[in-house]
Amino acid sequence: DAKTTQPPSMDCAEGRAANLPCNHSTISGNEYVYWYRQIHSQGPQYIIHGLKNNETNEMASLIITEDRKSSTLILPHATLRDTAVYYCIVSRGAGNNRKLIWGLGTSLAVNP
Amino acid sequence: GAVVSQHPSWVICKSGTSVKIECRSLDFQATTMFWYRQFPKQSLMLMATSNEGSKATYEQGVEKDKFLINHASLTLSTLTVTSAHPEDSSFYICSASTGREQYFGPGTRLTVT
Repeated sequence: DAKTTQPPSMDCAEGRAANLPCNHSTISGNEYVYWYRQIHSQGPQYIIHGLKNNETNEMASLIITEDRKSSTLILPHATLRDTAVYYCIVSRGAGNNRKLIWGLGTSLAVNP
Repeated sequence: GAVVSQHPSWVICKSGTSVKIECRSLDFQATTMFWYRQFPKQSLMLMATSNEGSKATYEQGVEKDKFLINHASLTLSTLTVTSAHPEDSSFYICSASTGREQYFGPGTRLTVT
């Protein structure tokens, strides 16, 4: 599975949009981009995933560049509860044995 | 949404003893469950993939005789840390697959004294 590169940390003001970038320049055609987050001392929480098109759900939006070499997770109105480590993972999406290879993620601090 | 539970949420044990951690998918059946370990300020590291009714597949460097995995049913997998040592102290997390997505348990904090 392709490697990803994320900034180690970011800050965001409460109520503003948080834009978290991820580079995955070696992504292959059948690999999806997944985003998870982990609040301190809890298990990871699924946020969103996509293949080529931009995606939006109740938690966030995912913008994938046309060449698929990078993506941005957008939290439209960040709250203090969004403070967490955000992981960008690329992985083949099909089947039960899909391994997720975790990097160090981006530690997002939402400030009042 | 899909819910995965782990029990216990934290455990302290003495060196040399064994500890069992349970992972349950509460509202769906999971043919595959994954076990991860996370040390402080580090990322999740996959330990093994557990398939219902068959032997677990361990990642390189993970001792299968030390970390016993049993996937007895479509909703339960257990991880037993045998002859625990202080270096086994860590945060153990399981995930369960619906076939499309993985959902994670809340984690188990193991401290070996």
